[in-house]
Amino acid sequence: QQQVKQSPQSLIVQKGGISIINCAYENTAFDYFPWYQQFPGKGPALLIAIRPDVSEKKEGRFTISFNKSAKQFSLHIMDSQPGDSATYFCAARGLTGANNLFFGTGTRLTVIP
Amino acid sequence: GAVVSQHPSWVICKSGTSVKIECRSLDFQATTMFWYRQFPKQSLMLMATSNEGSKATYEQGVEKDKFLINHASLTLSTLTVTSAHPEDSSFYICSARETIGAEQYFGPGTRLTVT
Repeated sequence: QQQVKQSPQSLIVQKGGISIINCAYENTAFDYFPWYQQFPGKGPALLIAIRPDVSEKKEGRFTISFNKSAKQFSLHIMDSQPGDSATYFCAARGLTGANNLFFGTGTRLTVIP
Repeated sequence: GAVVSQHPSWVICKSGTSVKIECRSLDFQATTMFWYRQFPKQSLMLMATSNEGSKATYEQGVEKDKFLINHASLTLSTLTVTSAHPEDSSFYICSARETIGAEQYFGPGTRLTVT
């Protein structure tokens, strides 16, 4: 059972365009929602994260939008660059239980010059 | 952010042999470490969670006798793949966090190829 659903599976964007990746979850106990960037052959690196008490968080060209009532959150990459080409994973975590991260299935982003 | 290292970064071993992968938190003490497995073009799959000084908790379907995890200190965890077979070939990633609720930092991964 996939705790966090992610779409699209792959995305091609022109340089300078906006990349948008969406995630949805069911477990209302989740209270931390990070996004990770992974380059081929490397481990994932934290890009940006949000907690459900805010609806948006921006760091540079990266923005997370969070809709608590819809149980959805998305990553927006503004002015996408070829160097942004990577696989992006959303994740979710709750404070209770094992406090593990549940990952989405990943989105392979390709930014073409 | 904090740094997690893994060694080796890649390893090739023959079928039937065992291989050990080390995971270290370099600038913080990790009370909990996680081991993930990732197949090409797929997401990270949690294999087990280990707390320092305790036995690891394995996810359903992960053979604990095959994937031995040791978390003997606050900065080191090891994953030993015993009697490796070609189907164990994968990308293994460790992760560590200081306390519950803290940020989880990921290592660079270890590519295991079993011939």
